[in-house]
Amino acid sequence: DVKVTQSSRYLVKRTGEKVFLECVQDMDHENMFWYRQDPGLGLRLIYFSYDVKMKEKGDIPEGYSVSREKKERFSLILESASTNQTSMYLCASSLPPLAVPPDTQYFGPGTRLTVL
Amino acid sequence: GNSVTQMEGPVTLSEEAFLTINCTYTATGYPSLFWYVQYPGEGLQLLLKATKADDKGSNKGFEATYRKETTSFHLEKGSVQVSDSAVYFCALSENQAGTALIFGKGTTLSVSS
Repeated sequence: DVKVTQSSRYLVKRTGEKVFLECVQDMDHENMFWYRQDPGLGLRLIYFSYDVKMKEKGDIPEGYSVSREKKERFSLILESASTNQTSMYLCASSLPPLAVPPDTQYFGPGTRLTVL
Repeated sequence: GNSVTQMEGPVTLSEEAFLTINCTYTATGYPSLFWYVQYPGEGLQLLLKATKADDKGSNKGFEATYRKETTSFHLEKGSVQVSDSAVYFCALSENQAGTALIFGKGTTLSVSS
């Protein structure tokens, strides 16, 4: 059974703190993704990675960075947390396009981050 | 650029009612299309998919047909259950290396008994 795990389900941090969100997948997938989910806005892509040490900016990368030192792990970093980063953060992984099935993404359960 | 548009919710139905959630897309080339579902308190999971025109994806009583002529991928179910209450996301893949899925904003479905 495929599995994507995220380090925390709920997290409360203070403004200005450095925050690390960890994601691990056990499917040997090349692609990994970080999204944030907000009411009325759906899923917005923050960053993704299609290989170790590779990263690509998504639609809303400002205020975030990522790290992918190992294939199975993709970390999202909030360098200095702000209240507008309060959100649900979802990690996902997938095989490369043209694989079978094509680009199905597998999601973790999410981390609900509150920044006070 | 490519995009996905879903009908806005929430959609509120009684048990055993017929469900349609509209999804249309804009894309160049030949995308693959997906429906994901998010149950309360959980992450997203794949519900069904279609990879080429006229394909029909189906799972758990849900169906969607890839219509290239109308650029649509509407989700349907003949008889909904309370357990179908969730948020449904339509998405497309451009099937190109180094690209991510493009999601619609999601439609909340609430089914009452």
